[in-house]
Amino acid sequence: SAVISQKPSRDICQRGTSLTIQCQVDSQVTMMFWYRQQPGQSLTLIATANQGSEATYESGFVIDKFPISRPNLTFSTLTVSNMSPEDSSIYLCSVLGGHSRRWETQYFGPGTRLLVL
Amino acid sequence: GIQVEQSPPDLILQEGANSTLRCNFSDSVNNLQWFHQNPWGQLINLFYIPSGTKQNGRLSATTVATERYSLLYISSSQTTDSGVYFCAVEGSTGFQKLVFGTGTRLLVSP
Repeated sequence: SAVISQKPSRDICQRGTSLTIQCQVDSQVTMMFWYRQQPGQSLTLIATANQGSEATYESGFVIDKFPISRPNLTFSTLTVSNMSPEDSSIYLCSVLGGHSRRWETQYFGPGTRLLVL
Repeated sequence: GIQVEQSPPDLILQEGANSTLRCNFSDSVNNLQWFHQNPWGQLINLFYIPSGTKQNGRLSATTVATERYSLLYISSSQTTDSGVYFCAVEGSTGFQKLVFGTGTRLLVSP
């Protein structure tokens, strides 16, 4: 399995500000994803982070609110822009594929717990 | 899009008891995974099981793809089994995008 780290692990932010979350993997992976988990809810896919090109967003999520970068095969960032209390959630990155790694199984980072006041 | 429903939504067990968690999905799938989210929020892979049966220690899972459901069995439950169990599926349209179920929250008491 992949070793995935996220920074920060948690944060408390003021409304109107932005926070950038980092996801680092210990080896190159083919695909990286960003999910949101609102309090007491299931996980929802925000976007697929594409290396060297714009992310692919799911319905209900837009680039202006959740800009994503993926400069290489081991790193991605998600920014939550102009935050409101409704953005309080756990944000998780996941990875799939890569050298000597099964294609079918997604592995998740530890998550970033965000509270917006 | 594909819908994924899990039952029961909540489950309370005494340590040592057995349980069965169910996942129903509305369309054919390429991929089905079971995850355990521990109380600290970490998602842990349990099974990749788009069809058939697998076992890993006290846990086993069965997916009947033709009838669009999967079952997760937990035997001799322990307090460390507490948390939320999710199934997640990738629809036949592909792109490796997982759709998560509604989850089953399990509490195992000593």
